Amino acid sequence: LAKTTQPISMDSYEGQEVNITCSHNNIATNDYITWYQQFPSQGPRFIIQGYKTKVTNEVASLFIPADRKSSTLSLPRVSLSDTAVYYCLVGDMWGRGFQKLVFGTGTRLLVSP
Amino acid sequence: NAGVTQTPKFQVLKTGQSMTLQCAQDMNHNSMYWYRQDPGMGLRLIYYSASEGTTDKGEVPNGYNVSRLNKREFSLRLESAAPSQTSVYFCASNIGTGDQPQHFGDGTRLSIL
Repeated sequence: LAKTTQPISMDSYEGQEVNITCSHNNIATNDYITWYQQFPSQGPRFIIQGYKTKVTNEVASLFIPADRKSSTLSLPRVSLSDTAVYYCLVGDMWGRGFQKLVFGTGTRLLVSP
Repeated sequence: NAGVTQTPKFQVLKTGQSMTLQCAQDMNHNSMYWYRQDPGMGLRLIYYSASEGTTDKGEVPNGYNVSRLNKREFSLRLESAAPSQTSVYFCASNIGTGDQPQHFGDGTRLSIL
């Protein structure tokens, strides 16, 4: 699985848009990009995933350029409750009966008033 | 909607003691996973079970054993606990096809003195 690189930490203020970029230079054809969020004392929670172009759901957008060597998680109008660690991961779309994910250290997002 | 339930939530052990961490899911998922998370780190896969009746080693299996008791339950056993196994342990599950998100429990915080 491709290794991912993302910023260790980011700071923002309430109401701002936050973009977290992840690098995955060695992504394979069968790989997809997935993002998880983790609050203190909780397990990670799935946010969004995609293979190419743009994916949007009720909480975030994911932008993936044509070469797929990076991706950007966009959180619109963050609030204090978005303070968490965000993990960018690459998964094998054709995983044979299981999903092997490799978690890095993630990006620690701090949202201030 | 229970999702993934882990017991106990907290435990303190002495070096050399044994213990079994329990995990159960009620989503009819095929695959289940055990991770550990050390302070300031991402999650590392200990063992996984792609389907009922099968188990395989992950990234850091030494010192652990697992049992997939049935489709719902996947337990993690420490036969002789060591201080290096002090960590937060997360159980997760997913349908089992390649790109389906994992659902995590809230973790077991284990301290070994």
